[in-house]
Order: sequence, then structure tokens, then C-alpha cells
Amino acid sequence: QKEVEQNSGPLSVPEGAIASLNCTYSDRVSQSFFWYRQYSGKSPELIMSIYSNGDKEDGRFTAQLNKASQYVSLLIRDSQPSDSATYLCAVYVRYSSASKIIFGSGTRLSIRP
Amino acid sequence: DGGITQSPKYLFRKEGQNVTLSCEQNLNHDAMYWYRQDPGQGLRLIYYSQIVNDFQKGDIAEGYSVSREKKESFPLTVTSAQKNPTAFYLCASSLNTARSPLHFGNGTRLTVT
Repeated sequence: QKEVEQNSGPLSVPEGAIASLNCTYSDRVSQSFFWYRQYSGKSPELIMSIYSNGDKEDGRFTAQLNKASQYVSLLIRDSQPSDSATYLCAVYVRYSSASKIIFGSGTRLSIRP
Repeated sequence: DGGITQSPKYLFRKEGQNVTLSCEQNLNHDAMYWYRQDPGQGLRLIYYSQIVNDFQKGDIAEGYSVSREKKESFPLTVTSAQKNPTAFYLCASSLNTARSPLHFGNGTRLTVT
């Protein structure tokens, strides 16, 4: 089982609708969770970070975390064509000897006009 | 302005040659990371370093080597032992705490023929 799993998509959503992106993780010592957006040929950019169970909102973006279910999601309201990109879920994991950030394979989102 | 600089942006090499990718940061971050991304795939961790003069192997370290002699610099050498070196290489840094997201450089696209 992969440590961080995402549906690869593509996920197609009409403009103005809500896009829902999901991510599950396997390691129960995971402490922090991040969503990055990556346009084709570019480096990832941070959209949201979430550390506690519940919802966190920032503009059109809402991150949701459920540690008991090992599940984190990203909702994008009022989707715009500029939201078309690959969305990467990342998890910070701390072990006794080291810590690292692990990425999922990403979900490709397409917003259709 | 603070940030992470990767150079060069594009790199072409012949098979059998070693090549070194540069990564420099002026964010005063303790941790630095190297990821590899293949077309349509997520980010896979090659090596990471949490402190000067120390580094750990990631998930795909074979055929790569790194050094961390200075806090600001974390160069990656792609050796001839790496079977499929053509990829997009991303360097990142963070404050190395659970709530610190990664900051990425603009990446180096390596093509080996």
C-alpha cells in the first residue's frame, strides 16, 4: 500500500461548481498535511496546510482532515479555468530518527467552461 | 528576496556521464530535499538533509549522491549508475518542523541521451 494515495483523475468539473479532491494516508504518525497545486512544467506551490481535525478555510479553498479515518480532502468552490492543474497531497511524517514529507501521485483537475 | 535557486533550468548529457544539479537557498532553512518527477507522476523523494553534514536516503536513492557541506547548498549528483535519469528534478527546503511546508525551486529538467 502506498503511503499517500490520490485518485489520479482527470477530474472534470464545470466552471463555477465545487471540485472535491481526496487523499488517504497509511501512517498513523503523520502530523501535518499540505495541498500543493502544480501547473504543467512548473514547480508545486502551496495552497493549504492543515494540522488538526476539522475544516480550514482560505478564500475559495477548504481543507478537511479526519485523522481517525486517515483522510484529508480539498474543496475548491466556484471553480475557475485557472484552477485547472495537478493537485498534490503531502504528508509530514516524523519517525524516531528522522522526519520527511511524502507526496501522493497527484490528481489532475480540469475545469470546463 | 529569499528563495531557492536551482540551476541550470535545462540540462542535457550523454549516457554514462555524471552530472551535478545545483540547489541554493537563502531562507535559512535547516532541511533540504531532492525530489524526482516523471511525466504524469507525483514527486518521489531521492535524498533529504535535516542538518549540515548529515543526509538520509529517500525512496529512490540508488544512482544518486548528495552532499551538505553548507546550510545553504544541497547539490545532487546523478551518476552513470542511475538507469533512467531523464526527469524533472525539484529541490525544496523547510524549517524542519511539523508545521513547516516545503518551499520549492523552479526545477531542473535533465535529459540524458
